[in-house]
Amino acid sequence: EVQLVESGGGLVQPGGSLRLSCAASGFTFSSYEMNWVRQAPGKGLEWVSYISSSGSTIYYADSVKGRFTISRDNAKNSLYLQMNSLRAEDTAVYYCARGYSGYELWGQGTLVTVSS
Amino acid sequence: SYVLTQPPSVSVAPGQTARITCGGNNIGSKSVHWYQQKPGQAPVLVVYDDSDRPSGIPERFSGSNSGNTATLTISRVEAGDEADYYCQVWDSSSDHPGVFGGGTKLTVL
Repeated sequence: EVQLVESGGGLVQPGGSLRLSCAASGFTFSSYEMNWVRQAPGKGLEWVSYISSSGSTIYYADSVKGRFTISRDNAKNSLYLQMNSLRAEDTAVYYCARGYSGYELWGQGTLVTVSS
Repeated sequence: SYVLTQPPSVSVAPGQTARITCGGNNIGSKSVHWYQQKPGQAPVLVVYDDSDRPSGIPERFSGSNSGNTATLTISRVEAGDEADYYCQVWDSSSDHPGVFGGGTKLTVL
């Protein structure tokens, strides 16, 4: 089955760190660009970061630049998001999504809550 | 950075046609994608590259894009179409290219 499964969310204090993972299965992961998209409670979708299929090209939203790092391990069919210096406004469901321009495959999301 | 503007809400009776707009500066020069999101679920791509449909998406869903406005049209609206809809572009001229509209809540009366 073609799917993406996120993990690693949870409760973290402001200023803390968290690493999200996205496990891909059912397709050739190394051939696809990947993204992280988040959604704060009751709010709309916000694109967070993009990584090319080889990992050579990376983009970030201004809201996370310098604090978050996207990476991938094609041998392990996995996408990652290292989140440092977390703030209350980073509280959201984080989705991994496959695609370059449009995102045709999404995971179910993992909730990150930043609170003391 | 590039901004996409959607109406917060659209209401339509069953069987009628719903049109959800997405405004952006010269958006007609970009590829627009549309997502449907129901409560508690991940988004689903319903239209990509302005007007193409992924497999499994009903023909009732269509899209257009010209000038400063892209439009998602849902014909013969059903109760199950009630959801939030988001437009999205990839602004390749930017170093933070992923852009979503604010979303539109479609209510089926």
